[in-house]
Amino acid sequence: KQEVTQIPAALSVPEGENLVLNCSFTDSAIYNLQWFRQDPGKGLTSLLLIQSSQREQTSGRLNASLDKSSGRSTLYIAASQPGDSATYLCAVPSGGGSQGNLIFGKGTKLSVKP
Amino acid sequence: DAGITQSPRHKVTETGTPVTLRCHQTENHRYMYWYRQDPGHGLRLIHYSYGVKDTDKGEVSDGYSVSRSKTEDFLLTLESATSSQTSVYFCAISPTGGAGNQPQHFGDGTRLSIL
Repeated sequence: KQEVTQIPAALSVPEGENLVLNCSFTDSAIYNLQWFRQDPGKGLTSLLLIQSSQREQTSGRLNASLDKSSGRSTLYIAASQPGDSATYLCAVPSGGGSQGNLIFGKGTKLSVKP
Repeated sequence: DAGITQSPRHKVTETGTPVTLRCHQTENHRYMYWYRQDPGHGLRLIHYSYGVKDTDKGEVSDGYSVSRSKTEDFLLTLESATSSQTSVYFCAISPTGGAGNQPQHFGDGTRLSIL
């Protein structure tokens, strides 16, 4: 059974710092991995999707990497800003994956201090 | 933003009453999902649909039923609500399912409290 873990559960950094969020998964036979952002009381916003054949995806100050063999993904945020404060979730399709239901980590709550 | 509307956004009801949550999409996506989000458990799949009238159970389906009579609408029903079903419910849509290259998009959620 696929399990997704995110460490740390919470992270506080000063504005301007570069930071890395970690995601690990137990079954490396994934089709893709998705990173989301969730603001308090809101839904999930898709940030990046990395397909299994890719190693990296970039969007603005965000860069996500994927190492299937080691069961790990990282989300790199450059020059963090207070507006980046949110909970970040990673997710992979469940085993057998074609129907697309996602298995989520419990998230990393990021706080960027001005 | 993906065109997903969840209704109602907030609901308070009593134990034993039936509750129906609605997810409406304007993207014509094939796949639709219902998740619940709880502290300590994260997001878990309740039911999903892979086409009109095609649905299947997820990890936490007990006490829930779904229906999809049109591409754009996916309904989640709690036949007899219990306090353990107090949660935030999210609908999601995807054009390609899990093996594709398109991200899954989420609605803004329904906060359901059962007293």
